[in-house]
Order: sequence, then C-alpha cells, then structure tokens
Amino acid sequence: KQEVTQIPAALSVPEGENLVLNCSFTDSAIYNLQWFRQDPGKGLTSLLLIQSSQREQTSGRLNASLDKSSGRSTLYIAASQPGDSATYLCAVRKAAGNKLTFGGGTRVLVKP
Amino acid sequence: EAQVTQNPRYLITVTGKKLTVTCSQNMNHEYMSWYRQDPGLGLRQIYYSMNVEVTDKGDVPEGYKVSRKEKRNFPLILESPSPNQTSLYFCASARGTGDNEQFFGPGTRLTVL
Repeated sequence: KQEVTQIPAALSVPEGENLVLNCSFTDSAIYNLQWFRQDPGKGLTSLLLIQSSQREQTSGRLNASLDKSSGRSTLYIAASQPGDSATYLCAVRKAAGNKLTFGGGTRVLVKP
Repeated sequence: EAQVTQNPRYLITVTGKKLTVTCSQNMNHEYMSWYRQDPGLGLRQIYYSMNVEVTDKGDVPEGYKVSRKEKRNFPLILESPSPNQTSLYFCASARGTGDNEQFFGPGTRLTVL
C-alpha cells in the first residue's frame, strides 16, 4: 500500500528565505506526482504536476524535483513571501486512471 | 471562469437525516472524484467517476453514495449520516481518466450531531 509522508509537518521561515518542502513515498512505481497548496478553509490549488518520466517541473518561483528510485520529491519556493504561507500537499498516483494518495502536508508560515 | 463548485459550503445536520452535497464543474472534464479530509488522516478518496454512468469506490466509500447522470455533476449522498462522517469534503475533476492535473472545489464542511 502506497504511503506518502511529508516532513516536517510545519515550517516557519523569514521572508526572502528559500523554502524546501519534502515528500517521500514508499512505492516508487508511480505514474505521476502533484503538488498542491491549501489555504485555511479553502480548497486545494494545483501547483505542479510531474510525470514519472520527468525529473523536474518549474513554474515561476516554484520548482519541483522527482527522484522515483529514492521515492522522493522536493518542492522549492524561491525568495519566499508572506503570501506563500499555506499548507502544501503532495499526492502520488500509482497508475493511469488511479486515485491520488496524499501526504499529510507541510504547514508553512513566512514571517514578514 | 473554469471552476468546480460545491453546495452547500457549510452544513450542520443530525444523525440519520439524508443529505446531498452537490458538485458541478464547467470544464467538460470526464473524471470527477470525492475526498474527505480529516485531521491526522489527510485526504482520502471516497468515490470517483471516469465518465457518465461510470462510478467506482475509493478508499472510504462506506456510508456514501454517488451518481453521475450528467457529465458536469457528481453529487455525494449520505443516506443516513453519522457523527463519524463529520469532515471537510472536497470534490475534484480532471480531464481524461484522472491522470491529468486535478482541480478541486472549495470544500464543504459537514457536521453531523
């Protein structure tokens, strides 16, 4: 059974510092991996989707890497801003058409 | 605007009183899914649908029903709600069979007394 872990559960950084968020999964046979942002009381916003054949994806200040063999993905957020404060979730899909398995999330606070 | 909408956003009800949470998407997506989010347990899939009239169970389907009579709508039905169904519910949709980027609704916070 696939298990997805995100450590740490919470993270606090000063504004301007780069953020590094970790996601690990137990079964390396994944189809793709998706990173989401969740603001308090709101839904999930998709940030990046990485296919299993890709090593990384970039969007603006966000960069996500994927190392299937070690069962890890890392989300980097450059030059963090207070507006980046949210919970970040990663989710993996084992096979085409299959469900997403979510990690528990990392709650990020960026202090002005 | 492309979006997934859910109604109601907040609901307090009592044990045993049937309720329906609606979900609608305007992106012509084939795939739709329901999740529940609980502290310490994360997001877990309840049911999903790959197209009209095609539905299947997720990880935690007990106590729930769904239907997919139209492509845009995917209601979640609780025939006899119980307190352990108190949770935050999310509907999601995606193009194709769900392998693509999933888009989530704003959530429905349900309390069953």
